[in-house]
Parts: sequence; C-alpha cells; structure tokens
Amino acid sequence: QVQLVQSGAEVKKPGASVKVSCKASGYTFTSYDINWVRQATGQGLEWMGWMNPNSGNTGYAQKFQGRVTITRNTSISTAYMELSSLRSEDTAVYYCARGRRAVAGTSDYWGQGTLVTVSS
Amino acid sequence: DIVMTQSPDSLAVSLGERATINCKSSQSVLYSSNNKNYLAWYQQKPGQPPKLLIYWASTRESGVPDRFSGSGSGTDFTLTISSLQAEDVAVYYCQQYYSTPIFTFGPGTKVDIK
Repeated sequence: QVQLVQSGAEVKKPGASVKVSCKASGYTFTSYDINWVRQATGQGLEWMGWMNPNSGNTGYAQKFQGRVTITRNTSISTAYMELSSLRSEDTAVYYCARGRRAVAGTSDYWGQGTLVTVSS
Repeated sequence: DIVMTQSPDSLAVSLGERATINCKSSQSVLYSSNNKNYLAWYQQKPGQPPKLLIYWASTRESGVPDRFSGSGSGTDFTLTISSLQAEDVAVYYCQQYYSTPIFTFGPGTKVDIK
C-alpha cells in the first residue's frame, strides 16, 4: 500500500534551518510528483512547493522563494523539504503528499505530518 | 497568484440534511483547451492529513461516497454533501491547480452537526 512516512518533530531557534524527510513506499517513487503543504495550528492549508522526483524539477510558492528547497534521493525513495531563516510564524505541521497522476497539483496520499516548532 | 475564498466559514447541518459549501477563485480556473476546471476539494478531520474528495471540479476520487458532489465552472464552485453523516464532520478546503506551479487553497469551511 502507498505510504509516505515523514521524519519526527523538530524544535528550532529563529534563524535556523530545518530539513524534513518524506520516505515513500508502495509505489514507484519517480512516477509521481511530491507536494509540500503546511498548516499552522488551527489554521488552513498553505501550499509550499512541488517536485518531480524523476527530473528533479521544482516549483515554489512565491512566499517561500529563496527560503525553501525541495530535493530527493531516488535511491532511497525519499523527498526532502528544507526551510531556512526560520521565524516563529513558520511553526506549523508540514506535510508531504503524493501528486495525483494526471491531475498535477492535487495530492492523493499524504504523510502523517511533521511538527516544526520555532522558538527561542 | 489566484486567491481562493470560501463561504460560509462554518455551518451546522442536521444529520441527513444537505450541506453546501461555496468556493470562489479570483480568476477563472477553466482551461479552454480541454474545457476542464482545475479545482479540487479536500476533507480534513481533526488530527488527520487532508483527503482528496473531488478533482476537475466534479470528479469524485475513488472510494469517496456519492453523497459528495462538486459543481461549478470558471470562478464559482460548490461542494454539496447531499445527506450529512456524522463522519462528515470536518473542515473542507477547495484548491486551484490552474496556475502552475502555484496551487493555492481556500481558507476552509468547518462543517458540524446541528
């Protein structure tokens, strides 16, 4: 069965960086896009970026341009999202999600989420 | 960027009654070359990640009960739950995937039992 398993919760200081991993299983990793979405506590969903694991091509929301980097390691079917220059407003649950085939931008399977807390 | 709005912010519906959620985009998400609306709906229950319900504005994802339906075109869309069940209590989000690679979500609509 399709699974996306994310790395554990992180606590970071303002100005630091965080790197969240997302390990895929149950399907061919390079055949589906990976999307990253975050959600602050009690708030809505915020789309951050996208990656094609086959080509490595990426796209980022303008809000995060210059601060977010999405990468992958195809040999271990894992995607990564790194967010730098963290501030308190970046405290949120970060989700990776598999892009639904032929419906680019939508997500049919989601990871369990990774809580990133930014606090001094 | 395309801005998505939803109404109402929340609603309470009796079990078995109809729930209707509206979503509006700041510009059309209808792609003229294939006549498809690049609009999806998600359901999110507390403590869980979102679940894809509908894409192309009206196509139900596999396994989604047929009491969920989507309609609309261009800039105005609706998600209807024809007969609300207890398990449908959740927050519902619309998402546009027209403006590659920026795929914005609406602010969400919370559905509760009256």
